[in-house]
Amino acid sequence: DAGITQSPRHKVTETGTPVTLRCHQTENHRYMYWYRQDPGHGLRLIHYSYGVKDTDKGEVSDGYSVSRSKTEDFLLTLESATSSQTSVYFCAVERSAGGGNEQFFGPGTRLTVL
Amino acid sequence: LAKTTQPISMDSYEGQEVNITCSHNNIATNDYITWYQQFPSQGPRFIIQGYKTKVTNEVASLFIPADRKSSTLSLPRVSLSDTAVYYCLVGPTGTASKLTFGTGTRLQVTL
Repeated sequence: DAGITQSPRHKVTETGTPVTLRCHQTENHRYMYWYRQDPGHGLRLIHYSYGVKDTDKGEVSDGYSVSRSKTEDFLLTLESATSSQTSVYFCAVERSAGGGNEQFFGPGTRLTVL
Repeated sequence: LAKTTQPISMDSYEGQEVNITCSHNNIATNDYITWYQQFPSQGPRFIIQGYKTKVTNEVASLFIPADRKSSTLSLPRVSLSDTAVYYCLVGPTGTASKLTFGTGTRLQVTL
């Protein structure tokens, strides 16, 4: 599992409240990702990081921000949660393998915004 | 990034070989082809990755023709536990890969 943990694993919150999800890794991987998964959409990339303090937007970044102050932690923040952000959020790290790279995913966080 | 097309769903009986084909007509020279498997309520899991010809590991084989415009994931003798969603991804490696997972192929294995 590449030493990836996500917290919290489940969260219910109300519209308009801020929410922060945490991804923690123990293997010092450079690249980290946040995805969301919704029925009928597969996984969609929200933000990714290629190092401490280096982040960039994915295809569905509106309404989300990220921070990476340490190699091991990648935080995803919903500044003001909306019902459309109800989803399962997966964090992933990427490591080199045999000339290519592979991503390892965390267990996911199920977020419900009421 | 290369766009991929794969069947929405497939059905198989236990013990059969399953081949899932992915089309990626605009694959770039430095793109790799990677397959992931996802069970319900879990994150995707890396299965296999290749650049050209054939790659085999303990789980699956990946066949890539010379023009690399498609690839086939082959699962030998599937079991009920292989019921999952399978994603084909195409993109460069060695950098932060902005890969698109799409909706994948839902494989249902029955007795």
